[in-house]
Amino acid sequence: SAVISQKPSRDICQRGTSLTIQCQVDSQVTMMFWYRQQPGQSLTLIATANQGSEATYESGFVIDKFPISRPNLTFSTLTVSNMSPEDSSIYLCSVERAGAPSSYNEQFFGPGTRLTVL
Amino acid sequence: KNQVEQSPQSLIILEGKNCTLQCNYTVSPFSNLRWYKQDTGRGPVSLTIMTFSENTKSNGRYTATLDADTKQSSLHITASQLSDSASYICVVSRFTGTASKLTFGTGTRLQVTL
Repeated sequence: SAVISQKPSRDICQRGTSLTIQCQVDSQVTMMFWYRQQPGQSLTLIATANQGSEATYESGFVIDKFPISRPNLTFSTLTVSNMSPEDSSIYLCSVERAGAPSSYNEQFFGPGTRLTVL
Repeated sequence: KNQVEQSPQSLIILEGKNCTLQCNYTVSPFSNLRWYKQDTGRGPVSLTIMTFSENTKSNGRYTATLDADTKQSSLHITASQLSDSASYICVVSRFTGTASKLTFGTGTRLQVTL
């Protein structure tokens, strides 16, 4: 398994400001993922972060709005920039590990960061 | 379009009773299907993962079934407990050739009461 921690666990921010969310994993992983879960909605992938390369963003998400850093194999940050109330959501960090049998990879999620933008 | 639909949207049952949650998907090419439990304010936690060749898998009081022909899955919870109150999310994985892509259902919110 994988133990994932996120900071902060929750925050209330003003419109127009930025918030950086940290994700720490207890062991090295190649790929880290950032998801958004809006109220009452399913999880939506924002981007995939590989160490040593630019993050890959999903349709509808751009680097200027959600810059990501991946300085090493156990840590990543997601910044929500120039926030608006529509950014109020839970942001989750996730990692993938080879499962058993090896025909699939298992995905583990952090506890999430609950963001409220006023 | 790759989609995962779950039913019911929400469910209230008495402690000790059984319940079954449904999942229909149109994800292709199919790699595996996962059920997650998400407690309020927490991240999802994996309950079961099933590949194409598996049609049932259990994890304690949780039993998942998969019919790859009809593209349906169910999660059966036996002898429910108050701690089972959570959202249950069906997730289908497809392999794009370079990476796995997950499609999430919107979840079934289960409340177990006394």
